[in-house]
Amino acid sequence: DSGVTQTPKHLITATGQRVTLRCSPRSGDLSVYWYQQSLDQGLQFLIQYYNGEERAKGNILERFSAQQFPDLHSELNLSSLELGDSALYFCASSVEVGWTGANVLTFGAGSRLTVL
Amino acid sequence: DAKTTQPNSMESNEEEPVHLPCNHSTISGTDYIHWYRQLPSQGPEYVIHGLTSNVNNRMASLAIAEDRKSSTLILHRATLRDAAVYYCFPGGQNFVFGPGTRLSVLP
Repeated sequence: DSGVTQTPKHLITATGQRVTLRCSPRSGDLSVYWYQQSLDQGLQFLIQYYNGEERAKGNILERFSAQQFPDLHSELNLSSLELGDSALYFCASSVEVGWTGANVLTFGAGSRLTVL
Repeated sequence: DAKTTQPNSMESNEEEPVHLPCNHSTISGTDYIHWYRQLPSQGPEYVIHGLTSNVNNRMASLAIAEDRKSSTLILHRATLRDAAVYYCFPGGQNFVFGPGTRLSVLP
């Protein structure tokens, strides 16, 4: 158990629908990151939050949005789902906001989204 | 744009050393080099990181070139449990992982 909790573990839905993925960071971590991993692909960075504020954005689609709440958990909202959105979605957390020597990412086990 | 390159795949025999290379030619002087690995059906996990000097921990060693444009992750004695995709991650604000090297360990 890495300390980063992601729910749900698996999710099957239909095209056009909307889903919410949830992430609870490791205790003490203020920064949350979302990554997408399509089948046999690498990790695509989506977005980062630090202490409730958006700090960095990757190639996140306009149909996707995220937020980090006062208790530091984060949610990734995916709407108007398409077949191509089927992927593993990983959340990671870290203590700091930038890339310093102390800022190591701890990943959750992921949420597998299947869009039919 | 920063570009990180890694071999797609590598193979090693069990209990032999493995050297996994990564090229990160556009890394800045203050960016740490991180390595993560992803075991089958799991999330990525941290392996090691360093800035300029070579680094060792219980999992691996990291050798960083003097010009910092490349680094090598060294597994001193590969085991079957080391079979994974290894990602090089030159730090900075782009949060982009390298493409990863799939390591196969043969018994």
